[in-house]
Amino acid sequence: NAGVTQTPKFRVLKTGQSMTLLCAQDMNHEYMYWYRQDPGMGLRLIHYSVGEGTTAKGEVPDGYNVSRLKKQNFLLGLESAAPSQTSVYFCASSKREDQETQYFGPGTRLLVL
Amino acid sequence: LAKTTQPISMDSYEGQEVNITCSHNNIATNDYITWYQQFPSQGPRFIIQGYKTKVTNEVASLFIPADRKSSTLSLPRVSLSDTAVYYCLVTFGNTGFQKLVFGTGTRLLVSP
Repeated sequence: NAGVTQTPKFRVLKTGQSMTLLCAQDMNHEYMYWYRQDPGMGLRLIHYSVGEGTTAKGEVPDGYNVSRLKKQNFLLGLESAAPSQTSVYFCASSKREDQETQYFGPGTRLLVL
Repeated sequence: LAKTTQPISMDSYEGQEVNITCSHNNIATNDYITWYQQFPSQGPRFIIQGYKTKVTNEVASLFIPADRKSSTLSLPRVSLSDTAVYYCLVTFGNTGFQKLVFGTGTRLLVSP
């Protein structure tokens, strides 16, 4: 039982490049979330999904796209990376009936040059 | 505007009790207040959750006053391994998808 896993752990991009961050969970959770964490700003919600095939915008969605083709996977895409997207990205999942109890992955550290 | 406020940092010594408060006006009336702990290079992990009054588990206690405008995480007899960042998570709004908002975090440093 791995919980929530994220791939990759670390990545360096040049401005304008694209990439996809992968999140996988094996707890059969309905809800999944992508956050970014920046110094002094805590965790900010980028996008979330309440089920397979559905996604919605969070607090800071601009510059990101997501997809949830399978219940266990939630992908975060950056189509054209910008230095402002340098951050640590966390994926989380929860049960539908208990959204406050979230299980987090280990994070992906992204540096955009 | 949904907002939570936490102290940026706190210092303590081993064996002391530490209380970290999160202020959150106008939170949802029927939802939990949750606290998380985060160590460097790791994702946050659940510590404790409560709705009102007091909740205690093997790790911490959570105090929530009747007006629910704040909550206090209490860590009894902290050790060096309690050095971490602590976040509160509250819910704003009572309809549709709950608007979950993390606080900005409190960095706790425990010294010998």
